[in-house]
Amino acid sequence: DVKVTQSSRYLVKRTGEKVFLECVQDMDHENMFWYRQDPGLGLRLIYFSYDVKMKEKGDIPEGYSVSREKKERFSLILESASTNQTSMYLCASSPRRLNEKLFFGSGTQLSVL
Amino acid sequence: AQSVTQLDSQVPVFEEAPVELRCNYSSSVSVYLFWYVQYPNQGLQLLLKYLSGSTLVKGINGFEAEFNKSQTSFHLRKPSVHISDTAEYFCAVSGFATGGFKTIFGAGTRLFVKA
Repeated sequence: DVKVTQSSRYLVKRTGEKVFLECVQDMDHENMFWYRQDPGLGLRLIYFSYDVKMKEKGDIPEGYSVSREKKERFSLILESASTNQTSMYLCASSPRRLNEKLFFGSGTQLSVL
Repeated sequence: AQSVTQLDSQVPVFEEAPVELRCNYSSSVSVYLFWYVQYPNQGLQLLLKYLSGSTLVKGINGFEAEFNKSQTSFHLRKPSVHISDTAEYFCAVSGFATGGFKTIFGAGTRLFVKA
């Protein structure tokens, strides 16, 4: 089975801190995605990547950046965390083909105090 | 641009009753359509997907969905629900975007099944 692993299940940070969320997949998938999930808003796409060192902005990229130095790893970076970035963050991966489903990690609940 | 609208934020229903969760989408390009389910304290998993061909798609756990191109809808149905179907359901569309393709999700519908 495909495994998408997010490094932390729960994370508590202070405003202004730089935060790294890590995601690793073990199935050689080309595509990787970062979403945030908020009640009543569903999943909103932050960034996605279709290849190593490539990245594309999603619908809500402000305040975030990403890094993909290796195919299996996709990192989300909050340069200066703010309270409105408190959320559940979900990483996903999929093969290059458009019609394939996404495989999700178990999520990181980030609280910014 | 793509967008997904789930028309009901919450749907309460009694056990063994039928249910329909509504989803409308818009896109300027061809898309593929998905329904995902998230059980309490669990990750998202695929229920079913529409790629092409027959407009009625069957998925896991007795769910099915019908693609209607003219109405740009992809409603999810189950003829008889169980308590265990209580979960949040997300409609999603995948289509080409700058640099690759992306999947956009709706806001979700919480299904509450009551005894």
